[in-house]
Amino acid sequence: ETGVTQSPTHLIKTRGQQVTLRCSSQSGHNTVSWYQQALGQGPQFIFQYYREEENGRGNFPPRFSGLQFPNYSSELNVNALELDDSALYLCASSPGLAGLTDTQYFGPGTRLTVL
Amino acid sequence: GENVEQHPSTLSVQEGDSAVIKCTYSDSASNYFPWYKQELGKRPQLIIDIRSNVGEKKDQRIAVTLNKTAKHFSLHITETQPEDSAVYFCAATDRNQFYFGTGTSLTVIP
Repeated sequence: ETGVTQSPTHLIKTRGQQVTLRCSSQSGHNTVSWYQQALGQGPQFIFQYYREEENGRGNFPPRFSGLQFPNYSSELNVNALELDDSALYLCASSPGLAGLTDTQYFGPGTRLTVL
Repeated sequence: GENVEQHPSTLSVQEGDSAVIKCTYSDSASNYFPWYKQELGKRPQLIIDIRSNVGEKKDQRIAVTLNKTAKHFSLHITETQPEDSAVYFCAATDRNQFYFGTGTSLTVIP
C-alpha cells in the first residue's frame, strides 16, 4: 500500500451543498493530482498542485477548486453539488518536479454520493 | 488533448492462459505509459510502466510493449491466476496529467 491517505471514506450530500475532501500525500511528494472516477469509467483528471500552486487543470468547472498545504496535505472543494458529481474521488501524489512525467501513487479514494 | 482508447472492455481467460490488453493514444508527445490494477472498492495500483525511450519492459509475469510509431501499447499477463482478476487501466501522459483508458475487466476462471 502507498502512503497516500484520504478522508472521509464515504460521504453523502444533497444537491446544492458544498463538500471538502482531504488527502495526505506521501512525505516528500511535492505534487498532488485529483481525479474523478465515475462508476465503470477510468479516472478523469481534475487538477494538479505543485508546491501549493495549481499546475494544470482538466475539463472541470470552477466550482471544483483545490488547495495544497506545506505539510503534504491537500483539499478538493466542490460547490453547488450536482447529481452527476456522484463518483469516487481519488488523489494521487508524485515526488517529481512539475513538468516532468512521474509515477503517481493513488490514495484509496472518497466515495461521494449526491442525492 | 490526449485521447486514450482501451480494448477489450471485458476479458475472460482460463487460469494459466495469457491475457493481452491494448491501448492506443493520440498525442505523439506522450512519453510515459503506466498500467494500473484496480480491485473492487480499492485504489488503483501501479503494476508496470514504460517510458517512450524503450520498446518493452517485463516484470515477472507482466510485460508491456510500446510502439511509438503506431501509438499503441499493450499489457501482457502470462500464466494468469485468479488473483489477477480486476479492472486494468492504461494511461498516457507527456506531463503529470494522466489520461486514462476506460478500463478492462479481467476475469481469470479457475
